[in-house]
Amino acid sequence: GAGVSQSPSNKVTEKGKDVELRCDPISGHTALYWYRQRLGQGLEFLIYFQGNSAPDKSGLPSDRFSAERTGESVSTLTIQRTQQEDSAVYLCASSLTSGRMNEQFFGPGTRLTVL
Amino acid sequence: AQKITQTQPGMFVQEKEAVTLDCTYDTSDPSYGLFWYKQPSSGEMIFLIYQGSYDQQNATEGRYSLNFQKARKSANLVISASQLGDSAMYFCAMRGGGTSYGKLTFGQGTILTVHP
Repeated sequence: GAGVSQSPSNKVTEKGKDVELRCDPISGHTALYWYRQRLGQGLEFLIYFQGNSAPDKSGLPSDRFSAERTGESVSTLTIQRTQQEDSAVYLCASSLTSGRMNEQFFGPGTRLTVL
Repeated sequence: AQKITQTQPGMFVQEKEAVTLDCTYDTSDPSYGLFWYKQPSSGEMIFLIYQGSYDQQNATEGRYSLNFQKARKSANLVISASQLGDSAMYFCAMRGGGTSYGKLTFGQGTILTVHP
């Protein structure tokens, strides 16, 4: 399995709880991205990491959202005090660099349902 | 700010015919890239084709081609000889330069249905 993996595949939580979503990028990919896709919608950019540079957090919708990445490996997206509007599929992608084309390879996503 | 517009919520095509999916974009960056992704009902995102803003020729990948009209800021996807397996959601996306570098801005998508 050389692709991007995400866990869990599905997460159901209660409003107000915290959740952590995990992404394992393709080995050797220095860039990692998180997107959110609401039902029937396009993808919304959340955050991206490029090597050791400061992450671009410009897409995070509120301070309840945060993400970390350890070196050039695993990333965790944390949503605190979840709200019903956080229900969506959270997609992670990685690429070799964030250079000219550098196709982003997507994981299968985590479907988050907030009751 | 960057923006991608896909004006066709749904498209229908007969098997073996060609279909064009529309995409217009807006950006002030002189350097940018345009992507098309396919999302089947399984939810995975599959990269189809890429066009750089300075590329002189329209990109082609097998049955996929990108009709890039820079002056009109359009990047339509043409699928030739449609197959039943082409039925899916299709997203146009753009990566800009400057502070937008790296992240993709997506359109709302077009659902393509291929009829036998």
